[in-house]
Amino acid sequence: NAGVTQTPKFQVLKTGQSMTLQCAQDMNHNSMYWYRQDPGMGLRLIYYSASEGTTDKGEVPNGYNVSRLNKREFSLRLESAAPSQTSVYFCASSMGHYTNEKLFFGSGTQLSVL
Amino acid sequence: GQQLNQSPQSMFIQEGEDVSMNCTSSSIFNTWLWYKQDPGEGPVLLIALYKAGELTSNGRLTAQFGITRKDSFLNISASIPSDVGIYFCAGWPNAGNNRKLIWGLGTSLAVNP
Repeated sequence: NAGVTQTPKFQVLKTGQSMTLQCAQDMNHNSMYWYRQDPGMGLRLIYYSASEGTTDKGEVPNGYNVSRLNKREFSLRLESAAPSQTSVYFCASSMGHYTNEKLFFGSGTQLSVL
Repeated sequence: GQQLNQSPQSMFIQEGEDVSMNCTSSSIFNTWLWYKQDPGEGPVLLIALYKAGELTSNGRLTAQFGITRKDSFLNISASIPSDVGIYFCAGWPNAGNNRKLIWGLGTSLAVNP
């Protein structure tokens, strides 16, 4: 009964380092999303993948890249981490990308960039 | 980006009290979603609303899709300590190709046992 699984749970990086956040869902969902959550700013969409083979920018895509590896997996890459990317990152999935969909979230990755 | 106006921003109540919170917008929405987030966890879906005027319950939680389609309300009856957390509203706007879920900034709920 895993749902959406994110790894790692915690990560500390130095400025300029790179890393990839992994996300996998086992609900046979078509759409997947990456959000960041910062105090006082709510949830902001970084990138999403409406279906396997497609990706689109959200509100705050700068400094990030994504890969929809297959239907189950959607990764988020920071090529050169900056302190402004210190945040909690959430992956989510939904059956489709329509205006009646429910999103299901992973438990998050807490990232600190020093 | 676009955001929903969620209020109140925070609440501190006594166990057993009822709680009300709401989300408003100047735009029309097709679907309203209410989530709860516990510390260190991701948001968990509580209730989904799909029609204007719809009233849906999930245990002690009741949510309503506003008649104007521009607002939604969440009520918690007889609060208990495990209701503590942040409650978020989210809505899918009725705006052509703008298919991005819009979020409120959350209502932080504290319950005094």
